[in-house]
Amino acid sequence: DAGVIQSPRHEVTEMGQEVTLRCKPISGHDYLFWYRQTMMRGLELLIYFNNNVPIDDSGMPEDRFSAKMPNASFSTLKIQPSEPRDSAVYFCASSRQGIGEAFFGQGTRLTVV
Amino acid sequence: GQQVMQIPQYQHVQEGEDFTTYCNSSTTLSNIQWYKQRPGGHPVFLIQLVKSGEVKKQKRLTFQFGEAKKNSSLHITATQTTDVGTYFCAGVNDYKLSFGAGTTVTVRA
Repeated sequence: DAGVIQSPRHEVTEMGQEVTLRCKPISGHDYLFWYRQTMMRGLELLIYFNNNVPIDDSGMPEDRFSAKMPNASFSTLKIQPSEPRDSAVYFCASSRQGIGEAFFGQGTRLTVV
Repeated sequence: GQQVMQIPQYQHVQEGEDFTTYCNSSTTLSNIQWYKQRPGGHPVFLIQLVKSGEVKKQKRLTFQFGEAKKNSSLHITATQTTDVGTYFCAGVNDYKLSFGAGTTVTVRA
């Protein structure tokens, strides 16, 4: 298995633009997590899905952030409009059964200028 | 909400020495996991502890889960340059992984 695949690896965008991050979880994994990592705040859980259904989005910073999982093999995290303070590394992770090992993707490094 | 605190934030170690990083949760955990992230990389799972008082070893790494399932520790013996990176504990409750701030380890050769 190729592991969790995220795209793009790097994204530079201007403030106010829409940004879409993509994730393909490991086949057979029922849980998908979106995390944001910054020096100041560390690894923050934004939202997680179970069987494609959003379970907890309490970590989503504000309405500018939205996440979808239209099927078991694809998820998106969208920021609209983007702001410089959104600059961070965004990780997607998946796991089988939720409380087991989480496999992380390589991350998307987002820079909003 | 659940908070996981981790200390120290930074650990500078002479090659060959031992060190320990500690993790404390504000709530009782279902289990606790440990991850390692190399500079520029992504978190990689090391181990999961489930039972109260559990101790697990991986070569030079020893992981411990407290009796009350609210704290954990990672002890590394005879540190090597390959141990460089950030070690995170992650508390699990209600299927949510809450990560500590991590301990960033640098090694002096």
